[in-house]
Amino acid sequence: DTEVTQTPKHLVMGMTNKKSLKCEQHMGHRAMYWYKQKAKKPPELMFVYSYEKLSINESVPSRFSPECPNSSLLNLHLHALQPEDSALYLCASSPGLGYEQYFGPGTRLTVT
Amino acid sequence: TQLLEQSPQFLSIQEGENLTVYCNSSSVFSSLQWYRQEPGEGPVLLVTVVTGGEVKKLKRLTFQFGDARKDSSLHITAAQPGDTGLYLCAGGEEGRRALTFGSGTRLQVQP
Repeated sequence: DTEVTQTPKHLVMGMTNKKSLKCEQHMGHRAMYWYKQKAKKPPELMFVYSYEKLSINESVPSRFSPECPNSSLLNLHLHALQPEDSALYLCASSPGLGYEQYFGPGTRLTVT
Repeated sequence: TQLLEQSPQFLSIQEGENLTVYCNSSSVFSSLQWYRQEPGEGPVLLVTVVTGGEVKKLKRLTFQFGDARKDSSLHITAAQPGDTGLYLCAGGEEGRRALTFGSGTRLQVQP
């Protein structure tokens, strides 16, 4: 099973809302990632978790808060977002840091 | 900062034509991956190459890793509309915690 699942598929939220994105993998991978992707651009790395510990935070604003409850799950908590945060949010996992990554289908987020 | 430059950035061709996409860097990578991404979907891993000079084939797609492990190419033979998408290369380095992604090549294959 090389599947990474993400929910929801689409999300529309207001600037005062609080929402969460969820990601799950059952490949036994020890590294998980959050990316943000704008239209026609490559993915931009946001956060990296390794063995359930935050390894990289690419200077992401605090209105994005990651959480790794266990080795299979990765959440991204959203609060007080701006319209410019609208994007495709991708989750990925890999056997370890620096290895090939497997991506989920993404969550299309629209902030109104 | 490690950089991976892809060329061309955009390519529009007719069905049946051949094409090559390039991924170049001044850095040495321990491995290199190619992904294809369709609109609104996540990137899908196509191949991983790890040995300098390595060539891998996936049906009509041929991937090559440069001898010095600084560059790679993707060649598609007889392109089909289903090949349309964003092609991304990504390099892994020993001791580096995340992959370095290239800028992407957007391919459009017209029927």
